[in-house]
Amino acid sequence: AQSVTQPDIHITVSEGASLELRCNYSYGATPYLFWYVQSPGQGLQLLLKYFSGDTLVQGIKGFEAEFKRSQSSFNLRKPSVHWSDAAEYFCAVATSSNTGKLIFGQGTTLQVKP
Amino acid sequence: DAGVTQSPTHLIKTRGQQVTLRCSPKSGHDTVSWYQQALGQGPQFIFQYYEEEERQRGNFPDRFSGHQFPNYSSELNVNALLLGDSALYLCASRAGTGVRRYEQYFGPGTRLTVT
Repeated sequence: AQSVTQPDIHITVSEGASLELRCNYSYGATPYLFWYVQSPGQGLQLLLKYFSGDTLVQGIKGFEAEFKRSQSSFNLRKPSVHWSDAAEYFCAVATSSNTGKLIFGQGTTLQVKP
Repeated sequence: DAGVTQSPTHLIKTRGQQVTLRCSPKSGHDTVSWYQQALGQGPQFIFQYYEEEERQRGNFPDRFSGHQFPNYSSELNVNALLLGDSALYLCASRAGTGVRRYEQYFGPGTRLTVT
């Protein structure tokens, strides 16, 4: 069965510092990968997606993610974090055999120190 | 371009009652999925509707049912509410063709509290 693991439940970084949030997935073929962000009490906003091609994908708000097939990972990065980036981040996977549903990780809560 | 909308925003119900949540998809989208997000968890897939039929279902009991209307809007119904049904219920919509069918857009959610 497909699964997504986000090893870090909570991360704290200083404003202006770089950020990397980890995501590992379990699926035999090439998955379709997503990162979503959720502010408190809000729905999910799509940050970026990977379908195929270039393994480094750019998203909104200055985020990027890199797909590494050999490591079954899709880590999210940002070179310089802003206080407004504090939120919960979810990695998700969809598969060609299962277009109906997204499988989400547990989420990583990002706290930004001034 | 209106995104996914959901109503109501918040809802408080008593154990054993029934509840109906509503969702209007993003313009141009014809497929609607529902997710349950318990506190501190990632969203869990409940089911998906396309062409007014349930196409896929997650691991949820029959107390959870849904409907899709000809205008693509959707309802989620939950019967015999349990305390454990307290959660944020998210609606997501997507287009039906090409790789874009894997890309889902979410509404703001309905916060259901069961007492």
